Amino acid sequence: AQSVTQLDSHVSVSEGTPVLLRCNYSSSYSPSLFWYVQHPNKGLQLLLKYTSAATLVKGINGFEAEFKKSETSFHLTKPSAHMSDAAEYFCVVSDQNQGGKLIFGQGTELSVKP
Amino acid sequence: GAGVSQTPSNKVTEKGKYVELRCDPISGHTALYWYRQSLGQGPEFLIYFQGTGAADDSGLPNDRFFAVRPEGSVSTLKIQRTERGDSAVYLCASGRGSSYNEQFFGPGTRLTVL
Repeated sequence: AQSVTQLDSHVSVSEGTPVLLRCNYSSSYSPSLFWYVQHPNKGLQLLLKYTSAATLVKGINGFEAEFKKSETSFHLTKPSAHMSDAAEYFCVVSDQNQGGKLIFGQGTELSVKP
Repeated sequence: GAGVSQTPSNKVTEKGKYVELRCDPISGHTALYWYRQSLGQGPEFLIYFQGTGAADDSGLPNDRFFAVRPEGSVSTLKIQRTERGDSAVYLCASGRGSSYNEQFFGPGTRLTVL
């Protein structure tokens, strides 16, 4: 079975400092991995996806993630946090055998202090 | 173009009542997914349609939950004899039915069972 574990339920950073949101996955075969963001009272939005091409994936709003098979990790980073980045972030794995249904992590709430 | 829409945005009902939640996917998307997001949790898969048929309903919690997609476009999630534990945000997503493709999420329906 596939799963993802987000290692931090809450991360707090100061504006202008780097962001690191950690995610480990479990999969018996090469996974498709995603990061989604959910702003308060808004729908889920795709930040970026990994689908077995380049291991360093660039997304929207300056976010990127690196797929590391040896560590089974897919951590999300951003060099400099902005106040508008405050939101809930979900690491997600797609089930390749079931039409791509998504399996979500528990989420990491990112707070950005001025 | 128009995104995924869901109606109603909020639904308050009493325990034991029947409710229907509607999802309008993006035009041309053959795959449609329902997820449920409880407070403080990541979304959990309920059911997946490819065209008109339910390709995977393994996430439906019990036989009180049922979903249809009669013409391969709009879908309705139906919940009979609602219970307080059914209170959650119900999310719909559409896509092209592959693990490599992004799923586009609607804003959700917040269901409250009193």
